[in-house]
Amino acid sequence: GDSVIQMQGQVTLSENDFLFINCTYSTTGYPTLFWYVQYSGEGPQLLLQVTTANNKGSSRGFEATYDKGTTSFHLQKTSVQEIDSAVYYCAMTLMSNYNVLYFGSGTKLTVEP
Amino acid sequence: DTTVKQNPRYKLARVGKPVNLICSQTMNHDTMYWYQKKPNQAPKLLLFYYDKILNREADTFEKFQSSRPNNSFCSLYIGSAGLEYSAMYLCASSLRVDNQAPLFGEGTRLSVL
Repeated sequence: GDSVIQMQGQVTLSENDFLFINCTYSTTGYPTLFWYVQYSGEGPQLLLQVTTANNKGSSRGFEATYDKGTTSFHLQKTSVQEIDSAVYYCAMTLMSNYNVLYFGSGTKLTVEP
Repeated sequence: DTTVKQNPRYKLARVGKPVNLICSQTMNHDTMYWYQKKPNQAPKLLLFYYDKILNREADTFEKFQSSRPNNSFCSLYIGSAGLEYSAMYLCASSLRVDNQAPLFGEGTRLSVL
């Protein structure tokens, strides 16, 4: 069935470290892929999105590249800061499916000063 | 105002008692969703309204009800709360146009005792 997999439940880094969060997806449909970020006490908010037409998205120093061959949509940032500490969700919607989101289980990022 | 508002932020309920959660948006979005989020799990779609049409997931069909008396407002109703309902409930809204990223509220944390 349609699903999104995030294997890393928690990641702890120091400031200025490189961030890489794995995300893979499975679908026979036409996905649009998202990264949402949830800060403590807030709801999830859109970080970036990518469609199959444009395979790369970026926002606030974060980048994600859609790779149809490996069905992956990993999130990267060259140099994390303490304010990036949050939970990051990989998600997808499918064409003509009311923008229903299929979420991964989330990766809690802690950035230490 | 481009936000989704949820009330209350925190809800304490007794086993067997009803629970009613409220969500509103003023962006004239035609689709509103309810997701359930438990620790270490992906947010799970419970149901969504497209206009006045309610769509409920098969595995939660009998556990949750909802109403949407107007375009701006959507409720989630639990007739008899059980311990398994303790979770964060996230409301979101979107336009039914492909590639629209749903916008989330801050969530309601429900604790059933």
